Amino acid sequence: AQSVTQPDIHITVSEGASLELRCNYSYGATPYLFWYVQSPGQGLQLLLKYFSGDTLVQGIKGFEAEFKRSQSSFNLRKPSVHWSDAAEYFCASSNFGNEKLTFGTGTRLTIIP
Amino acid sequence: DGGITQSPKYLFRKEGQNVTLSCEQNLNHDAMYWYRQDPGQGLRLIYYSQIVNDFQKGDIAEGYSVSREKKESFPLTVTSAQKNPTAFYLCASSASGTRNEQFFGPGTRLTVL
Repeated sequence: AQSVTQPDIHITVSEGASLELRCNYSYGATPYLFWYVQSPGQGLQLLLKYFSGDTLVQGIKGFEAEFKRSQSSFNLRKPSVHWSDAAEYFCASSNFGNEKLTFGTGTRLTIIP
Repeated sequence: DGGITQSPKYLFRKEGQNVTLSCEQNLNHDAMYWYRQDPGQGLRLIYYSQIVNDFQKGDIAEGYSVSREKKESFPLTVTSAQKNPTAFYLCASSASGTRNEQFFGPGTRLTVL
């Protein structure tokens, strides 16, 4: 079965610092990969997605992610975080023929002034 | 504006009562999903539907029921058989051929007293 691992439950970074959130997926074939963001008490918003092609994908709010097949990873990055980026971030994956998304358990991001 | 609406935002019920959560989308998406979210556990799939009048159990379907009589609507009933119904419930939808790119509603927080 597919699985998605987000090894960091909680990350704290200073405003203006760079950010990297880790995500590893288990399925061997080419996955479809997503990053979502969730503010407290809200639904999930899609930040970016990867299906094929260029392994570095750009998303909304200045986020980017890099697909590395050799490491089964799809890490999310941002060069300089803003206080408004404080939220929970979920990585998700699917693949051809799969009707469902598999989500990681999420990483909570705290921003300190 | 196209989107997914969930109502109500907050719902309180007494133990032993069934309760129905509403989910409506005007995105013309074929597929709809219900997730349950508990702190530290990410999103768990309850039920999903790929087409009108058809639906499948997800990973935690026990104690829940759904219907899909219209393309735009996918209500979820939390029955008295659900042992721990207090949670945040999220509805999502996706279009055919989008590799499971899902759009989420704002969620309903159910508290059973």
